[in-house]
Amino acid sequence: AQKVTQAQTEISVVEKEDVTLDCVYETRDTTYYLFWYKQPPSGELVFLIRRNSFDEQNEISGRYSWNFQKSTSSFNFTITASQVVDSAVYFCALNGGSQGNLIFGKGTKLSVKP
Amino acid sequence: DAGITQSPRYKITETGRQVTLMCHQTWSHSYMFWYRQDLGHGLRLIYYSAAADITDKGEVPDGYVVSRSKTENFPLTLESATRSQTSVYFCASSRGADRAGNTIYFGEGSWLTVV
Repeated sequence: AQKVTQAQTEISVVEKEDVTLDCVYETRDTTYYLFWYKQPPSGELVFLIRRNSFDEQNEISGRYSWNFQKSTSSFNFTITASQVVDSAVYFCALNGGSQGNLIFGKGTKLSVKP
Repeated sequence: DAGITQSPRYKITETGRQVTLMCHQTWSHSYMFWYRQDLGHGLRLIYYSAAADITDKGEVPDGYVVSRSKTENFPLTLESATRSQTSVYFCASSRGADRAGNTIYFGEGSWLTVV
């Protein structure tokens, strides 16, 4: 069975702090894809990144970076110099099944205080 | 550049009523999905569709009906709404030619309250 675990339910930081959101996944597939989505207070789900199981290079996009490690089945997300606008619920998700759908973690609520 | 649009965005209905949530996408994506989001459960798949006239159940299909007569539309019907169906419903789509790995894009959500 496929499973995604986001152990951190809520995180609160002060603006400009760095913060890492953890994601651990389980799958028996050899080919799979991992995703991060952001859900701001307005409620929509915004796609952030997709990473396939063959590419373990870290990804950096501005203040965002992702660390994918197959050895520990983790796909962690770091925000550098956090800002108030980063306040949101962040979901990690796994796609590897024949349905093409996503298995979501339960999300981590990030609050960035000024 | 409409993407995926859901309607209504907010709905209050009574127990036992039939409710239809509409979903329309302008990308000609093959795959479409309906998820519900509940506190403590995250997002769970209700139904999905690989193409027009092809639909299949997800994790929590009971009490819901879907259809897909046209590629761009994927309505979700609650035949007899119950309070447990109070939730936020997200429609989504993906190019899906090879299913796994295609990025899934979400609509803005429909907030449904059953009283």
